[in-house]
Amino acid sequence: NAGVTQTPKFQVLKTGQSMTLQCAQDMNHEYMSWYRQDPGMGLRLIHYSVGAGITDQGEVPNGYNVSRSTTEDFPLRLLSAAPSQTSVYFCASSLTSGGVETQYFGPGTRLLVL
Amino acid sequence: AQSVTQLGSHVSVSEGALVLLRCNYSSSVPPYLFWYVQYPNQGLQLLLKYTTGATLVKGINGFEAEFKKSETSFHLTKPSAHMSDAAEYFCAVRDTGGFKTIFGAGTRLFVKA
Repeated sequence: NAGVTQTPKFQVLKTGQSMTLQCAQDMNHEYMSWYRQDPGMGLRLIHYSVGAGITDQGEVPNGYNVSRSTTEDFPLRLLSAAPSQTSVYFCASSLTSGGVETQYFGPGTRLLVL
Repeated sequence: AQSVTQLGSHVSVSEGALVLLRCNYSSSVPPYLFWYVQYPNQGLQLLLKYTTGATLVKGINGFEAEFKKSETSFHLTKPSAHMSDAAEYFCAVRDTGGFKTIFGAGTRLFVKA
C-alpha cells in the first residue's frame, strides 16, 4: 500500500489564484479529512468525508471546498487564495476497528500565498 | 465543546532522563484520547490511544500514557529519552461516536546529549 499520498509537496500562489490540493489513499478507508497546521495552533480540521458523496465542514471551512466522488480521492480546492491560507495542509484517512478510529496522515503540502 | 491543552510548547530533557509531556482535555462525554508524534517535514504518526478499559495505555517506541478522569489528564511519559525521540508531540481528543478530532497546540521535545 502507498498509504496516503498528497500532491504537490510545495506550492506558491498569488493572492486570488485558485488551486486544488490532491489527496489519495489506497487502503479503502471510508473516512477522510483535511487539516491545516499553523505554528502554535496544532492541527485544525477543515473538511471531512465519511464516504463517497458525503462531506461536512470542520472547524475552519471558510475559503475551502471539497468533494468526494470516489472512496480513494478527496481533493481540497482553494477558489481564491488569500495570504491567511499560507499553511501546511495534511490529508488523513481513517480505519475504524473495534469502534475506534485510527487516522493515517499524508506527508503534507506546504502552501505559500503571496 | 471539546478542547485540549498541552502544557509547555517546548520541553527539553537529557538523554536517558524521564520524558513527561502534559495534556489536559475538556469533553462533555467520555472521550477517546490520542497522542501523535511528528518528525520534521513529515505527517503525524499515532503513538497510542485510549478508548475504554485499562487507563494505562502503552504505545510504540516505549511511550505510555495514563488516562485520569478525575484530573481530565492524559499525560505522555517515557522512562528514558533517546535522541531519536526529538520531535513534536500532539495530544488529541475525540467524542465517542463523533467524527471530529480536536488537537492540542503541540509540544516540541528536545533531547540533549
